[in-house]
Order: sequence, then C-alpha cells, then structure tokens
Amino acid sequence: QQQVKQSPQSLIVQKGGISIINCAYENTAFDYFPWYQQFPGKGPALLIAIRPDVSEKKEGRFTISFNKSAKQFSLHIMDSQPGDSATYFCAASPVAAAGNKLTFGGGTRVLVKP
Amino acid sequence: NAGVTQTPKFRILKIGQSMTLQCTQDMNHNYMYWYRQDPGMGLKLIYYSVGAGITDKGEVPNGYNVSRSTTEDFPLRLELAAPSQTSVYFCASRLGQVGNTEAFFGQGTRLTVV
Repeated sequence: QQQVKQSPQSLIVQKGGISIINCAYENTAFDYFPWYQQFPGKGPALLIAIRPDVSEKKEGRFTISFNKSAKQFSLHIMDSQPGDSATYFCAASPVAAAGNKLTFGGGTRVLVKP
Repeated sequence: NAGVTQTPKFRILKIGQSMTLQCTQDMNHNYMYWYRQDPGMGLKLIYYSVGAGITDKGEVPNGYNVSRSTTEDFPLRLELAAPSQTSVYFCASRLGQVGNTEAFFGQGTRLTVV
C-alpha cells in the first residue's frame, strides 16, 4: 500500500518557468516531509524539508507548501534552470517512531528545456 | 568526506546465485537503511537498523538478509537471486537523534539478475 502518492510522473518545463510537484499522504503520524533530488547515476540528496507546524518553507528557488488538513504538500521550483533537470522524490516519516523510516513517493522526472 | 559508500556499483548475477552488497558510513550515524528503487516506483524500504546488533524488516524484506555488527557497516545479503531482485539498491544513514532527520544516501548498486 503506497502511503505517499506523487504526481505528475514526469514534467517538462521551459527555462525560467515554474515546476510544481504534488504529494498526498495518508498516515496522520507523519510529521516530517522532505524532498529529495536525484541526478542520473547518483543517490538521492536532501533538497528541502518541512514540519507540519508551518505552511510554507522557502530556500532559494525551492518552496514547499504544506496543507495539513488536506494531507498534501507540494514542491515549487521557481525560475527553473537546465541544471534542475533531475528526478524529485517527496517523502514522509514519523520523527518519533523507531527508525524514523522514510516513505517515498513514486518520483517525478523533471526536464528543463533551455 | 566519504559519507555513505556502497560497493559494488554494478553487478550481474545469475538466477540462484548469492551476493552481499556492502555499505559503510563514516558519520557515526545510528540509523541505517536499505532501499530498492524500481522504475516509476520510488524507493521501497527493505531493512533498517537503529544500532549495532539491531535490525528490523521494512516494506519488502523477502529474499534479503542483513546484519549490523558495527556502527559503520550494514551489509545486505541476497540469497538465491531471482529476476524480481533486478533493481538499484541504495543504502542510507541518519544520525538518529530526535529532531535530526536528514538521511544521507550512497551512490547505489545496480543489480541485474539474469
């Protein structure tokens, strides 16, 4: 049973445009929501993360929006650049549970065209 | 700065063969994880460990075994390899303190079972 659903599976955006990736979760025990960025042949690397006590977090061109009541969160990439072309994964975990296990969404392949 | 190191990077196995995927981290992290990544399916947790001598099953443990004799090392053993185990395998680690949640990933092992 997939507990974190991510959409779309792929996304093509022009340089300078906005990329938006959405995730929805089911487990109300989740209280940590990171986004990971993965380049081909590499492991995922943490991009940005949010806790449910805030509705938005911004780091440079990357913003997470969080809607606790809807159990949804999204990643916005502003002014998308060709170097942002990668696969993005949302994830969620219950921080206080044993192992702090991350549950991942299915991933979104983003292609930024120059 | 080694971080999380996985070996080998690539491997081809014949059906029924066995192998061990190696993972070591030099960050003194308590928590370690093994994930598999299948196309379009995100990352699925195979096994995890919260410290030396303690391991537990994740979402997809069948066909795999792990051990954690030291803080640094967390090998994943495949017994009787099957084509369904063709995947990219990632090892990850986390400090494991309350509130510290960033997971660091290795570069992955691409395994093909033929």
